[in-house]
Amino acid sequence: DGGITQSPKYLFRKEGQNVTLSCEQNLNHDAMYWYRQDPGQGLRLIYYSQIVNDFQKGDIAEGYSVSREKKESFPLTVTSAQKNPTAFYLCASSEGDRASYGYTFGSGTRLTVV
Amino acid sequence: AQSVTQLGSHVSVSEGALVLLRCNYSSSVPPYLFWYVQYPNQGLQLLLKYTSAATLVKGINGFEAEFKKSETSFHLTKPSAHMSDAAEYFCAVSFHGGGYNKLIFGAGTRLAVHP
Repeated sequence: DGGITQSPKYLFRKEGQNVTLSCEQNLNHDAMYWYRQDPGQGLRLIYYSQIVNDFQKGDIAEGYSVSREKKESFPLTVTSAQKNPTAFYLCASSEGDRASYGYTFGSGTRLTVV
Repeated sequence: AQSVTQLGSHVSVSEGALVLLRCNYSSSVPPYLFWYVQYPNQGLQLLLKYTSAATLVKGINGFEAEFKKSETSFHLTKPSAHMSDAAEYFCAVSFHGGGYNKLIFGAGTRLAVHP
């Protein structure tokens, strides 16, 4: 079955460390997205990519970085510059640039700073 | 500018009662509207979407929503709540802006179902 795989499901980070969250999709979708979810704040867009080797900052990109070297993969790195990284991170993809398509989501990665 | 407002961050119903989750949108162009459901520690799953065909949209798990342009609303309903409906629900509006397919989410409504 086609879908989006996020790994790991739970991740623990020490202060000052960089960590990378994996997102892989086999839906052949062009566009991919990273969201951060905090209790009571809904979803906030971190980065998005419409095509391989191209990506743009979302609303809260500071302290994060991404790459899009393959259509199927869109990893997110949470750097030490992100002062409050504890959150639930969701990856999503969409078929193209038509607004009627909506997004398909992965099952998320919960990141905790220890 | 496009935006979504979900009225009520928490809604509590009894099992078997009507579920009504409210969503109002603001959009300068004809909107595409979505409802997603999220179970604890899971991703978002599409319940239903409005894409300008029928104004009454039926989704999975017995949910439906009605698009009312005059009220700029897209409320989600289910005639009889089940314990398994307890989850967080997100309304979203989609439009094409800045060269990509942008989905704007509401803050979410957490539904509790009591025996």
